[in-house]
Amino acid sequence: GQSLEQPSEVTAVEGAIVQINCTYQTSGFYGLSWYQQHDGGAPTFLSYNGLDGLEETGRFSSFLSRSDSYGYLLLQELQMKDSASYFCAVRDQEAGANNLFFGTGTRLTVIP
Amino acid sequence: EAGVAQSPRYKIIEKRQSVAFWCNPISGHATLYWYQQILGQGPKLLIQFQNNGVVDDSQLPKDRFSAERLKGVDSTLKIQPAKLEDSAVYLCASSSRLAGSYEQYFGPGTRLTVT
Repeated sequence: GQSLEQPSEVTAVEGAIVQINCTYQTSGFYGLSWYQQHDGGAPTFLSYNGLDGLEETGRFSSFLSRSDSYGYLLLQELQMKDSASYFCAVRDQEAGANNLFFGTGTRLTVIP
Repeated sequence: EAGVAQSPRYKIIEKRQSVAFWCNPISGHATLYWYQQILGQGPKLLIQFQNNGVVDDSQLPKDRFSAERLKGVDSTLKIQPAKLEDSAVYLCASSSRLAGSYEQYFGPGTRLTVT
């Protein structure tokens, strides 16, 4: 079966950098997506890595190492509004190439 | 462009009652997903439609849950009869053929409480 591991909670200071790690075990891995969800809100797409390396989108970057079954989301210049839950999700053979299997999420709290 | 619309936003029912949720995806998005998100967990896929056909319903509890997407546009998800453990947020999402499933657009969800 599939498994995704990410820290349940992370706290960081406004203006700082934080890294949220995600390790996975799947069969037939296709790629890793990241989503942000504020309390009471809808998940919103942040980034996708289908190949090894770093993808940068503004203050957010995502990294993937297929050989290590590992990825991370990097948030720079943290703002209070970044306080939210962050989910990694895999596309893999078991989920189906057209589906996503979500992790349990990391709750990020940004403090002044 | 308008986002994914869902209604109602909140619903409270008693166990053994039935309930239905409605979703209208982003215009032109062929793929529609229904997820269940229990508090403190990630979204769990219930069913995926491609146009008006079911692609994956392996995680749908078919003894009580049903879904349809007539005419390949909006969709309804029904629970009958509801159980206490069905209390969750039900999220609808859509994606375009071009972007692929890794970039899904989610609606605001329906928060269901079963008492």
